[in-house]
Amino acid sequence: DAKTTQPTSMDCAEGRAANLPCNHSTISGNEYVYWYRQIHSQGPQYIIHGLKNNETNEMASLIITEDRKSSTLILPHATLRDTAVYYCIVRPYNNNDMRFGAGTRLTVKP
Amino acid sequence: DARVTQTPRDKVTEMGQEVTMRCQPILGHNTVFWYRQTMMQGLELLAYFRNRAPLDDSGMPKDRFSAEMPDATLATLKIQPSEPRDSAVYFCASGPGGTSASDTQYFGPGTRLTVL
Repeated sequence: DAKTTQPTSMDCAEGRAANLPCNHSTISGNEYVYWYRQIHSQGPQYIIHGLKNNETNEMASLIITEDRKSSTLILPHATLRDTAVYYCIVRPYNNNDMRFGAGTRLTVKP
Repeated sequence: DARVTQTPRDKVTEMGQEVTMRCQPILGHNTVFWYRQTMMQGLELLAYFRNRAPLDDSGMPKDRFSAEMPDATLATLKIQPSEPRDSAVYFCASGPGGTSASDTQYFGPGTRLTVL
């Protein structure tokens, strides 16, 4: 399975956009990019996923490069409640096995 | 608001005791997953079920751990006998069980297990 590389930590000012990068240079054609986050003491929360096209939902936008070797999760207007660990996961189409890495610890500051 | 529920939320027990953790998946979901999270190892998949049948439990220590789904509304994870190294937060997740790519997993709040 493809591995992902994320920065260990990032800061973002409240109200600004948070852009979280993820490298997945070994991704194969049938693998999806998933993003989850985990707020302290809670279970992981699904954010968004995509294959090739950019995706947007009520929580975030996912931008996937044309070669699919990297992606960026965008929280358009970060709030203090968005402080969490964000996990980027590459998941095969036919496999339920999701491998969580260390993720990026995002701290939103007032 | 449909959610995965887990009980107990916290469990403190002594080494050698049996521990049973329970999970109620979201109604209508037919895939259930068990994860364990520790500071050292992060989130690890232990086992998962589809339509109550175990599909993969390769991440689970077989000698002391067992996972079952007695019915569609209940999944259990049992540790017997428990050891201090089993101390962790155990998460259950469920998914709608559509095509695998769209089988988003929804997590419960977890059971924090402490084995003394």
